[in-house]
Amino acid sequence: AQSVAQPEDQVNVAEGNPLTVKCTYSVSGNPYLFWYVQYPNRGLQFLLKYITGDNLVKGSYGFEAEFNKSQTSFHLKKPSALVSDSALYFCAVRDKAAGNKLTFGGGTRVLVKP
Amino acid sequence: GAGVSQSPSNKVTEKGKDVELRCDPISGHTALYWYRQSLGQGLEFLIYFQGNSAPDKSGLPSDRFSAERTGGSVSTLTIQRTQQEDSAVYLCASSLGGQGYEQYFGPGTRLTVT
Repeated sequence: AQSVAQPEDQVNVAEGNPLTVKCTYSVSGNPYLFWYVQYPNRGLQFLLKYITGDNLVKGSYGFEAEFNKSQTSFHLKKPSALVSDSALYFCAVRDKAAGNKLTFGGGTRVLVKP
Repeated sequence: GAGVSQSPSNKVTEKGKDVELRCDPISGHTALYWYRQSLGQGLEFLIYFQGNSAPDKSGLPSDRFSAERTGGSVSTLTIQRTQQEDSAVYLCASSLGGQGYEQYFGPGTRLTVT
């Protein structure tokens, strides 16, 4: 069975500082990995994905994530956080061998303080 | 272009009543998914449709839940004899295909069972 862990319920960061949101996963095969962001009373918005190839993937709004196979991690990063980045972030995994459903982590709330 | 739309945005129903939730996917997307987001359970996969293939119903929590997709487009999620534990936000998503394609989410339907 596939699973995703986001070890931090909340991350607090000052505006302009680097932001990291952690994600680790467990799958039986090779993973497809995704990050989504959810603003209050909104649906989930796609940020970026890792399918294959370069381990560092770049996505929307200046976010990037690094796939680390040995550590089974896919941490989301942004070099300089904005107040507007405050939201709920979800990591998700799809195991190629287990069909097309996404399994989500529990979410990490990011609060960027001015 | 138009994103995924869902209706109604909010639904309040009495315990024991049946409800229908509607999803209009992005035009041209062959895959359609239903998820449930609740405080205690996070984001859970419910069901997945891909083209004319048999749907993946592995996430439906009970036989009170069913879904159909007519004409490869619009989908309806039906919950019969609603229970208070069914209260959640029901999210629909669509994608160009399965596997590595990202899913685009609708704004959700907030269901409250009283």
